[in-house]
Amino acid sequence: EAGVAQSPRYKIIEKRQSVAFWCNPISGHATLYWYQQILGQGPKLLIQFQNNGVVDDSQLPKDRFSAERLKGVDSTLKIQPAKLEDSAVYLCASKRGGDYGYTFGSGTRLTVV
Amino acid sequence: QKEVEQNSGPLSVPEGAIASLNCTYSDRGSQSFFWYRQYSGKSPELIMSIYSNGDKEDGRFTAQLNKASQYVSLLIRDSQPSDSATYLCAVSTNNNDMRFGAGTRLTVKP
Repeated sequence: EAGVAQSPRYKIIEKRQSVAFWCNPISGHATLYWYQQILGQGPKLLIQFQNNGVVDDSQLPKDRFSAERLKGVDSTLKIQPAKLEDSAVYLCASKRGGDYGYTFGSGTRLTVV
Repeated sequence: QKEVEQNSGPLSVPEGAIASLNCTYSDRGSQSFFWYRQYSGKSPELIMSIYSNGDKEDGRFTAQLNKASQYVSLLIRDSQPSDSATYLCAVSTNNNDMRFGAGTRLTVKP
């Protein structure tokens, strides 16, 4: 079974620029999550999709962050404009139905300078 | 109060010893609990899940759950240097997502 694919692995941008991350979940996994992990902290949920619908985006800073999941498969997370405090690892995870743990992708490390 | 709290690290144990990692959670309605291991620069990897009160063993790992005390723990027996990592406690919510603790960094010294 192929894992969760994310790209790019690393990104360095200047503040106020925009950036986008891509995620392809494990085939057949209906639920997809984006987490933000700041150095030294645990992952923080940004948004959860069930198929192509949003289940929870209560912690997504909607003034600058947006996410979509077209056709219930791939997902993109965008930040526009970026701030210094957005420097973090952005993790995508997916899971099949039922009460199972997630599988995480390798993450995208974003540095905003 | 944080939703998921872990005992502050870092934790250092000698090789062969038992490492004990602890976690408490605030939502009494939580039903599912997970332990993830995260090596430096890598993404979290699921190592244990537990759903019922009591102990669950998998190789050198034992997860313990006490819902009345809102407490989850992970024991690592015969600790190896390769176990050195950050261990994240995660608790599922009614929305079918997970909330994570800040993690406990474990170092196993040869």
